[in-house]
Amino acid sequence: DQQVKQNSPSLSVQEGRISILNCDYTNSMFDYFLWYKKYPAEGPTFLISISSIKDKNEDGRFTVFLNKSAKHLSLHIVPSQPGDSAVYFCAASASGGSNYKLTFGKGTLLTVNP
Amino acid sequence: ETGVTQTPRHLVMGMTNKKSLKCEQHLGHNAMYWYKQSAKKPLELMFVYSLEERVENNSVPSRFSPECPNSSHLFLHLHTLQPEDSALYLCASSLSRVAGPGGTQYFGPGTRLTVL
Repeated sequence: DQQVKQNSPSLSVQEGRISILNCDYTNSMFDYFLWYKKYPAEGPTFLISISSIKDKNEDGRFTVFLNKSAKHLSLHIVPSQPGDSAVYFCAASASGGSNYKLTFGKGTLLTVNP
Repeated sequence: ETGVTQTPRHLVMGMTNKKSLKCEQHLGHNAMYWYKQSAKKPLELMFVYSLEERVENNSVPSRFSPECPNSSHLFLHLHTLQPEDSALYLCASSLSRVAGPGGTQYFGPGTRLTVL
């Protein structure tokens, strides 16, 4: 049973426009969420995170929104640049117990066209 | 060197070979992880070490044997692997093994393993 789902395997966006990547989760115990970016032949790179006590976190061109009632989070990239083309992974963890465990989604391939 | 490094970056081995993957982190972190990434699957956690003590063995077959001699180094010893073990093996580290910013995991570039 996949607890973190990224239902869009791929997304294509024009340079300068907004990219919106979505992630849904089923485990209500998750309270910390992260986004990672992965280029081919490299490991995932930490991008931005959000705690469940917040509904928004912003870092430059990247903003993550959290909707706890819908168990949904999204990553907005504005403006999108060709260098943003990569696979984006959503991950979640829960405080308590094995709280170091990150549960990952399958990823969304973002292509930003010049 | 900075961040998390892994060697080798690519490895081809036969089913009867014995090989080892190496991971080193230069971040002063206390927890280290091995993940497996197969095509079209989420990252799968294999092992977790905290302060050199194994705290998680996620039902991984015994043909994979981890070793953590100190908080900066992590090895994955491989023997009698199967072709289905071909995958990208990723090492990660975090400051501590807690949820929240201290538990944010930083990944190495991975080792692409092919088992013939």
